[in-house]
Amino acid sequence: DGGITQSPKYLFRKEGQNVTLSCEQNLNHDAMYWYRQDPGQGLRLIYYSQIVNDFQKGDIAEGYSVSREKKESFPLTVTSAQKNPTAFYLCASSPTGYGNIQYFGAGTRLSVL
Amino acid sequence: GESVGLHLPTLSVQEGDNSIINCAYSNSASDYFIWYKQESGKGPQFIIDIRSNMDKRQGQRVTVLLNKTVKHLSLQIAATQPGDSAVYFCAESSGGYQKVTFGTGTKLQVIP
Repeated sequence: DGGITQSPKYLFRKEGQNVTLSCEQNLNHDAMYWYRQDPGQGLRLIYYSQIVNDFQKGDIAEGYSVSREKKESFPLTVTSAQKNPTAFYLCASSPTGYGNIQYFGAGTRLSVL
Repeated sequence: GESVGLHLPTLSVQEGDNSIINCAYSNSASDYFIWYKQESGKGPQFIIDIRSNMDKRQGQRVTVLLNKTVKHLSLQIAATQPGDSAVYFCAESSGGYQKVTFGTGTKLQVIP
């Protein structure tokens, strides 16, 4: 099956702890994205990457970090600097080129203990 | 499931009726628009897209209308079914690097 896999589905973070959310795609897409979704709000862009070993900050990058060492993988780390991490996190990918549809994973729900 | 529908505008439609979901966009430079459907606890799924050189595009049971003069987008769903119940997002994009801006969403409730 081709698609985007996010894990875990649910994640709990203790105060002061860094946690990493996994995102893997086998669609051979060059571009990958991380979004945050809060209740009653649209998706807000955290980071995006258009190519391996390169990534750019989105609108709400503070308190988050990413890496793009492989085309298939784009993990997101929620650091202790992110004071309000409770949200639904969505990973997406798209082929390079202008105006492409983004394909989303099933999401990770992060809560603070 | 996830509470992605809290405090969203809600449209309630009787099963079998047509639904119209509206979206206003703000960036006059946007030239590519997408509608996504998000079911509770899941990621958004692509429904239909339209480029700014078109006014209307039809898919299976769905039609998107674009009015660039008033920066308005609508999604029409024909013969709405219970499986159409979800939150619907419009998204806009302009130029090069594919950054997409998502609207806040509308929750569609289908009444059996």
